[in-house]
Amino acid sequence: QVQLQESGPGLVKPSETLSLTCTVSGGSISSHYWSWIRQPPGKGLEWVGNLYNSGRTNYNPTLKSRVTISVDTSVNQFSLKLNSVTAADTAVYYCARALWIDYYYMDVWGQGTTVTVSS
Amino acid sequence: DIQMTQSPSSLSASVGDRVSITCRTSQSIATYLNWYQQKPGKAPKLLIYAASSLQSGVPSRFSGSGSGTDFTLTISSLQPEDFATYYCQQSYSTLTFGGGTRVEIK
Repeated sequence: QVQLQESGPGLVKPSETLSLTCTVSGGSISSHYWSWIRQPPGKGLEWVGNLYNSGRTNYNPTLKSRVTISVDTSVNQFSLKLNSVTAADTAVYYCARALWIDYYYMDVWGQGTTVTVSS
Repeated sequence: DIQMTQSPSSLSASVGDRVSITCRTSQSIATYLNWYQQKPGKAPKLLIYAASSLQSGVPSRFSGSGSGTDFTLTISSLQPEDFATYYCQQSYSTLTFGGGTRVEIK
């Protein structure tokens, strides 16, 4: 079955760019939709953005000016870039597969990766 | 954005109890409502989609109901492995999550 694995630096300096990758195994990245979700320490879940199989993206309006999600189908990976980070971007970042058959929901999640923004 | 309010924010219950968690949205979302379970240090797990459809592999003691602005997740007989935090999430417009309900052991 499909499995997801996040990877990337665990520590990012303020004002720099956070870069994470999600590797998809057990299925083709071109066949589904994909999401990034984050969770600050001790807090709830926040949707970051989506990548559709057409290549179109959709971002959380509160992050839209700083976020880019892209895909590399040759290696079955999709990526998240968040620029100009501050301490408020410290969180566990999850990638997830989304299904959109009349309804949109996230049925497979990666284990998450912790990113700390600190100098 | 559609605001989502879960209640209660936490509850204490015993094994075998019937537990209900409510999610209210700031505008009608038909049945574009999903429920997730999250255990400490783990990723969320999809339980219910489209307000009342049980995700494959999820025990039948979990059920969802509601439409419009008011939704409920019910656990018919709480089991030890069900102690966790539960989140609702709407997909009617820009995705948003509820604040979560923590289910603790009484």
